[in-house]
Amino acid sequence: GAVVSQHPSRVICKSGTSVKIECRSLDFQATTMFWYRQFPKQSLMLMATSNEGSKATYEQGVEKDKFLINHASLTLSTLTVTSAHPEDSSFYICSTRITDNEQFFGPGTRLTVL
Amino acid sequence: GQNIDQPTEMTATEGAIVQINCTYQTSGFNGLFWYQQHAGEAPTFLSYNVLDGLEEKGRFSSFLSRSKGYSYLLLKELQMKDSASYLCAVLDSNYQLIWGAGTKLIIKP
Repeated sequence: GAVVSQHPSRVICKSGTSVKIECRSLDFQATTMFWYRQFPKQSLMLMATSNEGSKATYEQGVEKDKFLINHASLTLSTLTVTSAHPEDSSFYICSTRITDNEQFFGPGTRLTVL
Repeated sequence: GQNIDQPTEMTATEGAIVQINCTYQTSGFNGLFWYQQHAGEAPTFLSYNVLDGLEEKGRFSSFLSRSKGYSYLLLKELQMKDSASYLCAVLDSNYQLIWGAGTKLIIKP
């Protein structure tokens, strides 16, 4: 299956700072990537769909000015959490879908905002 | 609205069999997925059903009934490493994945 990597795997930051998370597809070109957030003991929540060369599509309730997504190439999408606050602490996961029934996830990024 | 229901938690014994149920109500249907997620890790793909019936893959099998909006994941010969959360997800008419909250499976020796 496709390999998706994320960096960093863990990040701890102070409140008010910005954090950038990278998602890379290592063995194929991904025109679309998905960004999820998962709080403890809850399911994955789709935040946005990242489209190469165009603006991301955000889910209802997700602030696009706070969660900046850039998909500048077919192998890289980035999520920047701007002015992070403790309530933004979560597990952020990216994924890409090759076909309708093939979706591969990155290993996730654990963000802790102090 | 769209909804996927699965039990919050289940407990089973090593070597036994467990069935995790999932019922769904979604706007359209283009397939149902089961994922396994260990604590602190991303989900990993287990199965995909788009037609009614049972799909068997080693110790894991997945069943789908579209008319009933129902699926189950069957795990046989349980091993301690099977302790994880199991997520049911449905691809709706817009090809969006709708996720269940997951079932935490606890395996006891």
